[in-house]
Amino acid sequence: DGGITQSPKYLFRKEGQNVTLSCEQNLNHDAMYWYRQDPGQGLRLIYYSQIVNDFQKGDIAEGYSVSREKKESFPLTVTSAQKNPTAFYLCASSISTLSGTQHFGDGTRLSIL
Amino acid sequence: DQQVKQNSPSLSVQEGRISILNCDYTNSMFDYFLWYKKYPAEGPTFLISISSIKDKNEDGRFTVFLNKSAKHLSLHIVPSQPGDSAVYFCAASGSGGSYIPTFGRGTSLIVHP
Repeated sequence: DGGITQSPKYLFRKEGQNVTLSCEQNLNHDAMYWYRQDPGQGLRLIYYSQIVNDFQKGDIAEGYSVSREKKESFPLTVTSAQKNPTAFYLCASSISTLSGTQHFGDGTRLSIL
Repeated sequence: DQQVKQNSPSLSVQEGRISILNCDYTNSMFDYFLWYKKYPAEGPTFLISISSIKDKNEDGRFTVFLNKSAKHLSLHIVPSQPGDSAVYFCAASGSGGSYIPTFGRGTSLIVHP
């Protein structure tokens, strides 16, 4: 059954610690994305990757970092430089960045204690 | 500056009646529009899309209408069912050759039995 797996579903970290959110897809999609959702807000693009070993900043990349070493995986690191990291994080993929239809994981809710 | 606006944060309708969700956009370069549906603690799922060469697209109970001159699109759900209760996100893409969607803030639809 193809899809996108985000883990964990809930994550708690102390202030000042870096934390990495996992995203894996078995849809054989080239493009992957990370979004952040805050209450009453739409989905805001953090980073995206068109292909392995390539990634681009989105609208709110400050305080975040990503890697794309494998086609299936696109982990997101929330660094201590991110001033307000508590949010719901969504990973998505699509056939390419020229395909407007994205498939989403079920998200990770990050809470900073 | 929001390029995709969903001005109604919430909408309440009776089961069996029509639900109309509205979306406005400011960027005339957008040429592909999508609606996603999201349940709590889950990722959004693609619902329906429309290209700017059309003014209507229908899929079962869901119809999207596009008015390019007004930069307005709407999603009609007929008849509405309690299982339709979710947050609906409007998204637009195609500006500058990029098909990475820009999302609105969402409208929470509640369908009462």
